[in-house]
Amino acid sequence: AQKVTQAQTEISVVEKEDVTLDCVYETRDTTYYLFWYKQPPSGELVFLIRRNSFDEQNEISGRYSWNFQKSTSSFNFTITASQVVDSAVYFCALSEAGDNYGQNFVFGPGTRLSVLP
Amino acid sequence: DVKVTQSSRYLVKRTGEKVFLECVQDMDHENMFWYRQDPGLGLRLIYFSYDVKMKEKGDIPEGYSVSREKKERFSLILESASTNQTSMYLCASTLDRFRQPQHFGDGTRLSIL
Repeated sequence: AQKVTQAQTEISVVEKEDVTLDCVYETRDTTYYLFWYKQPPSGELVFLIRRNSFDEQNEISGRYSWNFQKSTSSFNFTITASQVVDSAVYFCALSEAGDNYGQNFVFGPGTRLSVLP
Repeated sequence: DVKVTQSSRYLVKRTGEKVFLECVQDMDHENMFWYRQDPGLGLRLIYFSYDVKMKEKGDIPEGYSVSREKKERFSLILESASTNQTSMYLCASTLDRFRQPQHFGDGTRLSIL
């Protein structure tokens, strides 16, 4: 069965520091997708990025960057020059092709990031 | 833009009541999900549905049921509410359960007294 681990339960940083959120996954499928979501204090989960298993190219979007490494089964998320508005719970998730009707999407437990002014 | 709407942000009910949580999406998505979120436990899947009138149990279906009579609407039912069902409930939908991200509603914070 698939599994997603986010070993960091809570992280606190001071504004403008860089911070990396770790995500390690387990799957037996060769075809799968990885996702990151942000849940601010307001509660709604917001989709940030999707990456498929055949694309190991790292991605940068403004202050956000993602490092996908199949060799270590990791999909880490780095925020550069963090800001108070980055304070949120961040979830990593994995989906497998699986069968047409089974449950093929799993979330990690989340990492709560607090950015202090 | 994608929109998933949950009927209530906050709800207070009494033990033993039958509780309905409603979720509507406007994207013509096949797949819809109900999760509950508790501190330290992350998101746990209660039920999901991949088509009208179809439903599948998730990880924690006990004490819940669901209804999907129309494609856009997915209802979560607490048959006889209990205090251990006090939680944040999140509804989501997606066009493709494998390739596409799930889109979430704002959540319903349910308190059972």
